[in-house]
Parts: sequence; C-alpha cells; structure tokens
Amino acid sequence: AQKITQTQPGMFVQEKEAVTLDCTYDTSDPSYGLFWYKQPSSGEMIFLIYQGSYDQQNATEGRYSLNFQKARKSANLVISASQLGDSAMYFCAITTGGTSYGKLTFGQGTILTVHP
Amino acid sequence: ETGVTQTPRHLVMGMTNKKSLKCEQHLGHNAMYWYKQSAKKPLELMFVYSLEERVENNSVPSRFSPECPNSSHLFLHLHTLQPEDSALYLCASSQSILRDIYGYTFGSGTRLTVV
Repeated sequence: AQKITQTQPGMFVQEKEAVTLDCTYDTSDPSYGLFWYKQPSSGEMIFLIYQGSYDQQNATEGRYSLNFQKARKSANLVISASQLGDSAMYFCAITTGGTSYGKLTFGQGTILTVHP
Repeated sequence: ETGVTQTPRHLVMGMTNKKSLKCEQHLGHNAMYWYKQSAKKPLELMFVYSLEERVENNSVPSRFSPECPNSSHLFLHLHTLQPEDSALYLCASSQSILRDIYGYTFGSGTRLTVV
C-alpha cells in the first residue's frame, strides 16, 4: 500500500516570497510517480508538477519546483515569488507501478494563504 | 467547452431521492474516475473506468452506481444516500489507466449535501 503524509495543515507566506510545502511518501514499489495539485476554492484540482522515481533531476514548472529526496522519501513543493492567486489547498499524490491502473493516493492537503 | 465538465455544481437531496451526477470530458482520454472528497479527509478513489469498462470499485456502497456509456461520459447515480455521503465529488480523466506523467485532469466537482 502507498501513503502520502502532509504535515502542514496550513501555511502563510508574504507575497513575492518563496514557500515550501512538505510531502513525505511511503511505498515499497521502486517505480512510482509523485504529483502536486492545487485546489482553489472553486473546487477544481489543477495539476502542477510531476516527479518520476527514476528521474535524475528535480522537476520544475515555471515558479514550481520539486525538491525530491529519494532516500528520505520526501517530495516537497517549492513555490517561488508567491502571488495572491497561489492561495489555495495543495495536495501531494502518488501512483505506483508502471503497468497498474493509475490510482492516485492523496495526502491530507495543505492550505496556503498568501498575504499582500 | 474544454477539459472535464461536471454537472450540477451543487446538489441538495433528501435521503429518499434519486439523482445523478454527470461528467463529460473533451480531451480524448480513455480512462475516467470518480473521487470523493470529504471534509478533513484525503481524496478517496471510488471508481475507475477504462474504455467504458469498470476496472475498479474501491469498496463503494451500492447506493452509488456508476455508468460509463462511452469514453467521454461518466455518470454517478445516487439513491437512498446518508448524510455522511455529503462531500465534493470529483470526476477526473487521463489518457490511459497506466501511470501517466501528465496526471489527471479533474473537473470542478459537484458539491453534494444530503439532508
């Protein structure tokens, strides 16, 4: 079984500063994928970034980067230059197995609030 | 409209009612999913469909009945629900059921309240 742990129920950051959202995972499968999603108050889950277990480099997508530490089983999301529109719930998720169906297991989420 | 569309956005129903949630994707994806998001709980996978065939029922009570008439549409039929079924129901789609680096495209969800 796979598990995601997000230990920060809420985070606050000043506009234009960087923030790190923590995610640790647990799986015995050597092949897995890690995702981060953003959920604004509208409810839609928006895909942000992906990291594969065999990827040699940390994933980056614009202002989003993933600090992937495989030995520690952590996949923290770093948001640089925070914007007011970044205020939302953020979920870390994992899927395992290259040939199994794409079942996503989510963490509890972290509410990010960006202050002006 | 593009992406994944869910209707209705909000639904209030009594415990004896029968209602249906609708999901439509315009992405040409072959896999569709229902997730349940309750307050203070992680998202829970309910059903997985691949090419209109159900490949996963994640121990969901029979009062939830999915239907996938084609690869673009997914329904969740509801009957005799309980108040604890009140939640945000999210539909998602992906290119296939195999692990996909692009993840899943989610709809905006249906906020269900059972009274």
